[in-house]
Amino acid sequence: EAGVAQSPRYKIIEKRQSVAFWCNPISGHATLYWYQQILGQGPKLLIQFQNNGVVDDSQLPKDRFSAERLKGVDSTLKIQPAKLEDSAVYLCASRWTEHNSPLHFGNGTRLTVT
Amino acid sequence: ILNVEQSPQSLHVQEGDSTNFTCSFPSSNFYALHWYRWETAKSPEALFVMTLNGDEKKKGRISATLNTKEGYSYLYIKGSQPEDSATYLCAFLYSGAGSYQLTFGKGTKLSVIP
Repeated sequence: EAGVAQSPRYKIIEKRQSVAFWCNPISGHATLYWYQQILGQGPKLLIQFQNNGVVDDSQLPKDRFSAERLKGVDSTLKIQPAKLEDSAVYLCASRWTEHNSPLHFGNGTRLTVT
Repeated sequence: ILNVEQSPQSLHVQEGDSTNFTCSFPSSNFYALHWYRWETAKSPEALFVMTLNGDEKKKGRISATLNTKEGYSYLYIKGSQPEDSATYLCAFLYSGAGSYQLTFGKGTKLSVIP
C-alpha cells in the first residue's frame, strides 16, 4: 500500500509569515492526526480527525493554527502568523478505525521560523 | 495531560551488544501501548501495539514486554546492529469517558557503534 504523503519536506519562513502543510493519508484510513515534534520532545498531538470531523483539537493553538480535512481524505494544517517557537517537525499520521491499529506516519515537514 | 516517561534519553552501544529501554505510563485507564522506531530522515515506523498485561511481542531481534498493573513496558534489542540506530518512541493509549488519547514519550535515542 502507498504510504502517507506529506509536503513540503522542508520549509523556512520568517516570523509573522504564514505557512501550510499538506497530507494525503493511506487510502481507507478514516482517522488522521497532525503532530508537532519540537527537538528533544515527543510528538504532541495538535488535532485528530475521524473522516472529516474533528475528534480532538484541545492542544491546537487556535489563535494561529487551523486544520481541515475536507471530504475526509486529504488534510491541510496552516499556521498564521508563525512564531519562532513553531519551529518543529510536523508529522501527519493515519490509521484504520480500530483504536488498536498502529499509526502510519508520513516523512514530516521540518519547519524553521527565523 | 498524561505523563509517559522513557529512559534512558539516549545511549550508545557497541555492535553485537544487547540493550533495553523502559517506557513508564499511568496504570489506570489503559487501552494500549505502542512502540515506534524513528530513523533519521525517515518516518516513524510501528513496531508493536500491545494491549494485554503480560503481553510479549517479538519482531526479529526486537522484543517487548508489557506490565499494565505497574505501568511499564520494556523494549529489548538482541545483538544490536548499526541499522538499529534510531529513536525509539513509546505511546500510551488512554481510554476514559468515551474518549481515546494517544500520548508519546520523548523517546530513547540509540546509537550502535560499529
